[in-house]
Amino acid sequence: GAVVSQHPSWVICKSGTSVKIECRSLDFQATTMFWYRQFPKQSLMLMATSNEGSKATYEQGVEKDKFLINHASLTLSTLTVTSAHPEDSSFYICSARREVWGHPYEQYFGPGTRLTVT
Amino acid sequence: KQEVTQIPAALSVPEGENLVLNCSFTDSAIYNLQWFRQDPGKGLTSLLLIQSSQREQTSGRLNASLDKSSGRSTLYIAASQPGDSATYLCAVGGTSGSRLTFGEGTQLTVNP
Repeated sequence: GAVVSQHPSWVICKSGTSVKIECRSLDFQATTMFWYRQFPKQSLMLMATSNEGSKATYEQGVEKDKFLINHASLTLSTLTVTSAHPEDSSFYICSARREVWGHPYEQYFGPGTRLTVT
Repeated sequence: KQEVTQIPAALSVPEGENLVLNCSFTDSAIYNLQWFRQDPGKGLTSLLLIQSSQREQTSGRLNASLDKSSGRSTLYIAASQPGDSATYLCAVGGTSGSRLTFGEGTQLTVNP
């Protein structure tokens, strides 16, 4: 159990266009999901915390108008990169937090989405 | 602000060797600590999760320890194999059970 999927797994888009990435928790409900970004040979950096039914919380330095996050249901969060530029090319990974009453939280990670902006 | 450091950044060993990867963190008020494996161009594979109340976790040839007071964790890999070659990431969970702070990773190469 505790599977998280991402779609698409990779995408190439032209500069100036927008790209939407989906993150789904397949076998559990997640009120909280997270979006990370990873540049080549670097570690994961948290971009934002996605909360179901409310606005996302962005980390310092992340442009909320550029990286739009929508968490419309308990199993789906989307990240839209608006007006993409080559410097937005990166590996985007989401995670979903599983909360079971009486048990510690645990985050489960998706397989990632490789975005290339030409 | 939590900071996580992993040493060494890269490690190359011959097959069969036992090895230790190190992770240190600056704020001992943690919720949990997790070790991940990442293959090139791929997502994360969770290896071991240690809750703040635990001292260690074991899975097969892997053993992870946690010393909150000193802000350290180690990942011990026994009898390393070429298939263990990957980047190993340490991540520390904050007390709210929310954000994970990742280290920079240790790139491990096990030579046949």
